[in-house]
Amino acid sequence: NAGVTQTPKFRILKIGQSMTLQCTQDMNHNYMYWYRQDPGMGLKLIYYSVGAGITDKGEVPNGYNVSRSTTEDFPLRLELAAPSQTSVYFCASTVLAGGPTDTQYFGPGTRLTVL
Amino acid sequence: GNSVTQMEGPVTLSEEAFLTINCTYTATGYPSLFWYVQYPGEGLQLLLKATKADDKGSNKGFEATYRKETTSFHLEKGSVQVSDSAVYFCALRSLLDSSYKLIFGSGTRLLVRP
Repeated sequence: NAGVTQTPKFRILKIGQSMTLQCTQDMNHNYMYWYRQDPGMGLKLIYYSVGAGITDKGEVPNGYNVSRSTTEDFPLRLELAAPSQTSVYFCASTVLAGGPTDTQYFGPGTRLTVL
Repeated sequence: GNSVTQMEGPVTLSEEAFLTINCTYTATGYPSLFWYVQYPGEGLQLLLKATKADDKGSNKGFEATYRKETTSFHLEKGSVQVSDSAVYFCALRSLLDSSYKLIFGSGTRLLVRP
């Protein structure tokens, strides 16, 4: 049981480039999330998904897209990267069955720099 | 809207000192409250949680009590160790939010000196 895995760990992009951040969980969780963490700040929600085929925007969705074709995978797509997207990105998952007090499990993060 | 406010860091302590990290929240209804810890280079790990007023969450010597009257969830530890050096995040989850997302404070960095 690997939990939540993310790739890559680090990436440097040039302005205008695109990339996909990968996230996979092996816990059969239906809820998955993408957060970004800016220096000295808490995490802010970008997008989330309540199950395969269902996604919705969070607080800061502009410049990002997501898809959820399987329960396990929840990739985050950056189109036309901008310096404002320099951040650490965390994927997380949780299960619905126990209700809103269930633990969110986090991946190790992807550190992205846009130059 | 819902929000979490934490004391700013860094907090620097000597080993075996008493730790308090303040956390207050604003939320409609009765949120669930969490403390997460982030060790250098790692993701966030749940440290403890509380789901209703007067609940006390505890783990690894850390404690926090859900205080509805003061809308607070302060983190305490009686005797810190060097290995406790990390960033600590207070967070809430509103029962009224169907996304079950976490709302985080800005984090408090703790440095424990030998």
